[in-house]
Amino acid sequence: QKEVEQDPGPLSVPEGAIVSLNCTYSNSAFQYFMWYRQYSRKGPELLMYTYSSGNKEDGRFTAQVDKSSKYISLFIRDSQPSDSATYLCACQGGKLIFGQGTELSVKP
Amino acid sequence: GAGVSQSPRYKVAKRGQDVALRCDPISGHVSLFWYQQALGQGPEFLTYFQNEAQLDKSGLPSDRFFAERPEGSVSTLKIQRTQQEDSAVYLCASSSGQGKFFGPGTRLTVL
Repeated sequence: QKEVEQDPGPLSVPEGAIVSLNCTYSNSAFQYFMWYRQYSRKGPELLMYTYSSGNKEDGRFTAQVDKSSKYISLFIRDSQPSDSATYLCACQGGKLIFGQGTELSVKP
Repeated sequence: GAGVSQSPRYKVAKRGQDVALRCDPISGHVSLFWYQQALGQGPEFLTYFQNEAQLDKSGLPSDRFFAERPEGSVSTLKIQRTQQEDSAVYLCASSSGQGKFFGPGTRLTVL
């Protein structure tokens, strides 16, 4: 079993929809939680960074961490075609451990 | 440049050939990381440098993989006697804190 599990999708939504992306993790030592966006043939780009449990909002993006259930989420409001990419969750205690990535497609 | 750069962007090697992949981190970033990303998977940690010191190489899959950062800036990942299972995108990231900034990667294909 991987330390960070993520549904690979693909996930297809219409423009304007609310998108919910989720990961679970198994290592209680993880303290930092990130979401990266990766466009095709590009490197991952840091979107959101959260320390411990709680919510963090940045524009249309909200990241949630629930350490009691070892569950992390990314919500995208008013999704746009430009949001079409692979979204990677990542958890860090020492090393940064990535999930498999969820491929998202937002249709105009 | 403002970001992390990697070269070459694409590399095709015959099985058994040696390859060298280069990473230019963001200027002033102390920490440098190498990751391997197989198709359809998330990046997996290979090795970590703080300045010129290689502090963690636990992710290197075999002794055919070697990384160096002799002057604490540019880093090279070398793979000797490449095998087909080495085909992947090799990502470099640099950091001055918790957030890591990734380069575009080198896509290695071993025939």
